[in-house]
Amino acid sequence: AQKITQTQPGMFVQEKEAVTLDCTYDTSDPSYGLFWYKQPSSGEMIFLIYQGSYDQQNATEGRYSLNFQKARKSANLVISASQLGDSAMYFCAMRERNTGGFKTIFGAGTRLFVKA
Amino acid sequence: GAGVSQTPSNKVTEKGKYVELRCDPISGHTALYWYRQSLGQGPEFLIYFQGTGAADDSGLPNDRFFAVRPEGSVSTLKIQRTERGDSAVYLCASSLKGGIGASEAFFGQGTRLTVV
Repeated sequence: AQKITQTQPGMFVQEKEAVTLDCTYDTSDPSYGLFWYKQPSSGEMIFLIYQGSYDQQNATEGRYSLNFQKARKSANLVISASQLGDSAMYFCAMRERNTGGFKTIFGAGTRLFVKA
Repeated sequence: GAGVSQTPSNKVTEKGKYVELRCDPISGHTALYWYRQSLGQGPEFLIYFQGTGAADDSGLPNDRFFAVRPEGSVSTLKIQRTERGDSAVYLCASSLKGGIGASEAFFGQGTRLTVV
């Protein structure tokens, strides 16, 4: 079964507008961490934001915020005031305890296109 | 440099050959991860080291794949009898510590392996 589901293979947004990238996850462990990474066409993975399962407030980092709805097991990324440089692949990931340690699992990604 | 370094950046090898991919993590990072990313997909977990030991190797696809981290810093991913299906970008990441917490993983630029 998919642990991380990103249902939007591609998204378009107008420059300066906000966009929401969806992510749902599946785990039975009460302790886990949720991450979003950006991967531009150059290939590097850039950490954007983190949300812990016990965090009471939604995480924010500059123009990025994470809409954490624990009961629905969703962790959507909101990018405000989109910029042309935001065009990239975006991956949602979950770190959870696994036999022997901790494993981070990534979703299939959403490709974001920002239009001028 | 201060980041995660992976060498080589590109590797072309013939089917059946043996290859080694190297990862030099950020100094002081105890956790090290290997992922494989095929075109258009998210990173797929392979193995996680905490210090010198492989805490979780459940993502290694078969016994042709092996990884070591003998001194708790540099890691080598070894692939025997390479197959065309092994062609992918192999990503390495390190973080200050393992665990669920907000210890973000810093990724290297990856090694693009092509098996011909």
